[in-house]
Amino acid sequence: QVQLQQSGPGLVKPSQTLSLTCAISGDSVSSNSATWDWIRQSPSRGLEWLGRTYCRSKWYNDYAVSVKSRATINPDTSKNQFSLQLNSVTPEDTAVYYCARAARGIFDYWGQGTLVTVSS
Amino acid sequence: EIVMTQSPATLSVSPGERATLSCRASQSANNNLVWYQQKPGQAPRHLIYGASTRATGIPARFSGSGSGTEFTLTISSLQSEDFAVYYCQQYNNWPWTFGQGTKVEIK
Repeated sequence: QVQLQQSGPGLVKPSQTLSLTCAISGDSVSSNSATWDWIRQSPSRGLEWLGRTYCRSKWYNDYAVSVKSRATINPDTSKNQFSLQLNSVTPEDTAVYYCARAARGIFDYWGQGTLVTVSS
Repeated sequence: EIVMTQSPATLSVSPGERATLSCRASQSANNNLVWYQQKPGQAPRHLIYGASTRATGIPARFSGSGSGTEFTLTISSLQSEDFAVYYCQQYNNWPWTFGQGTKVEIK
């Protein structure tokens, strides 16, 4: 059974960097059949896919246009986890952030969610 | 990107009745469509993928249909645990995109 455990602060100041980590059990971040994604959810934007990392002989990353210039997703094979960094945050980045595994485009396992509030 | 539009925004249904939820894609998604259920305080859970295939452990009262741009999720006889928000998501064209959700509430 795949489990995803998220960690990271729930409060970030404007202009600073949001950092979240997703620890994987029951699968490998190096899997050649899955992607490891970040999704956020807010009342104003609904469910918004942010980006992903995946390994197909080498590592790849894809990002949503809305966050491409500010987001970085990194795998950590030594700890079997992946992370999201979103810099220069504003109150518009306030949301519940989820990590998720995708298999063939289907998000079949999700983390528990982290409410991140951007406020001074 | 493909825009997914769900209707209605809210559906009021009595327990035991049938619920029919719609999802429309701005361009063809073929049958690459997932339905998720989300309860308060929880992450979404996938119910149906490939437009009509139930995920493991999903009761038979949930069924999906459609292809191309029009999709439907039907819950044949609503149980108390089915009152939740339902989202569709296409995985035909990258980036994958979600609908805005339909809330199924008790009438």
